[in-house]
Amino acid sequence: EPEVTQTPSHQVTQMGQEVILRCVPISNHLYFYWYRQILGQKVEFLVSFYNNEISEKSEIFDDQFSVERPDGSNFTLKIRSTKLEDSAMYFCASKRTGTGYADTQYFGPGTRLTVL
Amino acid sequence: AQSVAQPEDQVNVAEGNPLTVKCTYSVSGNPYLFWYVQYPNRGLQFLLKYITGDNLVKGSYGFEAEFNKSQTSFHLKKPSALVSDSALYFCAVPRGYGQNFVFGPGTRLSVLP
Repeated sequence: EPEVTQTPSHQVTQMGQEVILRCVPISNHLYFYWYRQILGQKVEFLVSFYNNEISEKSEIFDDQFSVERPDGSNFTLKIRSTKLEDSAMYFCASKRTGTGYADTQYFGPGTRLTVL
Repeated sequence: AQSVAQPEDQVNVAEGNPLTVKCTYSVSGNPYLFWYVQYPNRGLQFLLKYITGDNLVKGSYGFEAEFNKSQTSFHLKKPSALVSDSALYFCAVPRGYGQNFVFGPGTRLSVLP
């Protein structure tokens, strides 16, 4: 069964450094997402991406964040200058179509980002 | 605005007993409701969803959920709990142009042997 994959599983970085989190969505999916989960807290939406552009972003997704689909398979989240409060589990998700609220989103295993 | 609530932070149940994890919703328009499970150090796994039709939805791993419009609830149930069901359970509803999920705060289920 196809899965969403994410690399790395754990990333440790120094405050102020840039990080890139990588995701490979399910191959025939068209809608992509990033969410994050600070330890012990709820899962929060960051950004959605469709047709090679951001379709919606949350207030968390400020100028320090960017997303890209550099080729036909990868979907990346870049944090330009990490802060301590960026420490969290970051989940990528994808879904098959761009037109249905009823479509299931499939999540990757997550990347745990630790900012020191 | 679309939102879901999970009134219980923690649910404890003995193995073999029925379990219920509660979710209530507030949506405008047709409700589309989802349940996901998160095992320790793992991602979110889809369990089931309600779109329309039958109020009792069956999903993965023997779970089912009952949609109740009058009570605006979508409780997750299983007739006989397993220790391996111990995990964090999230109720979710899609919203907005980007169709992203709004998640509830999660309910930690502990099944005791």
